[in-house]
Amino acid sequence: DAGITQSPRHKVTETGTPVTLRCHQTENHRYMYWYRQDPGHGLRLIHYSYGVKDTDKGEVSDGYSVSRSKTEDFLLTLESATSSQTSVYFCAIKSDGRSTGELFFGEGSRLTVL
Amino acid sequence: AQSVAQPEDQVNVAEGNPLTVKCTYSVSGNPYLFWYVQYPNRGLQFLLKYITGDNLVKGSYGFEAEFNKSQTSFHLKKPSALVSDSALYFCAVRGFGGGGADGLTFGKGTHLIIQP
Repeated sequence: DAGITQSPRHKVTETGTPVTLRCHQTENHRYMYWYRQDPGHGLRLIHYSYGVKDTDKGEVSDGYSVSRSKTEDFLLTLESATSSQTSVYFCAIKSDGRSTGELFFGEGSRLTVL
Repeated sequence: AQSVAQPEDQVNVAEGNPLTVKCTYSVSGNPYLFWYVQYPNRGLQFLLKYITGDNLVKGSYGFEAEFNKSQTSFHLKKPSALVSDSALYFCAVRGFGGGGADGLTFGKGTHLIIQP
């Protein structure tokens, strides 16, 4: 158990509304990630963080922003949700500071944008 | 850019038979390779990884994977399949020198179905 909690686990919202997903970890890991999972695409990296207030874009960052004001929390925000952002979102942490470290994932947040 | 291909959307195996889930990769330099499993409505669980050394890597739940540099492959294997192995399997790669922060690049996943 990597001590990762995602909230909310399920959310239904309407097009154009803002949405924030929260990832909380209990083990002070430096590196945190947000992925989205879609059928036929596997997992794709949205944004990642390598420390407090240090974030960078991943493969599919358009329409998303992130913030990390504390080590334990990594927030993903959809400023104006669209139907194409209906997906399952996973937060992950890296097990150690080396590039060989595997990722450990939360249980996911299922977002439906109507 | 690095990439991962899982050529089979679905693999069907009879219980007790050996199973193989295929993965090929493309990356600059030496790769770090990973396998994950996902059960319905759950997050991904780490199975095993190849960093360096022996080409046969052993992992959780009796799974192993064989690294083949010349074929740029990292196939997941198990000698005797169980019905409980039925799940979605992902192969992933991180390229050497990608920096400590870089995330993994995942394949599209392979559904493994073990028939009783």
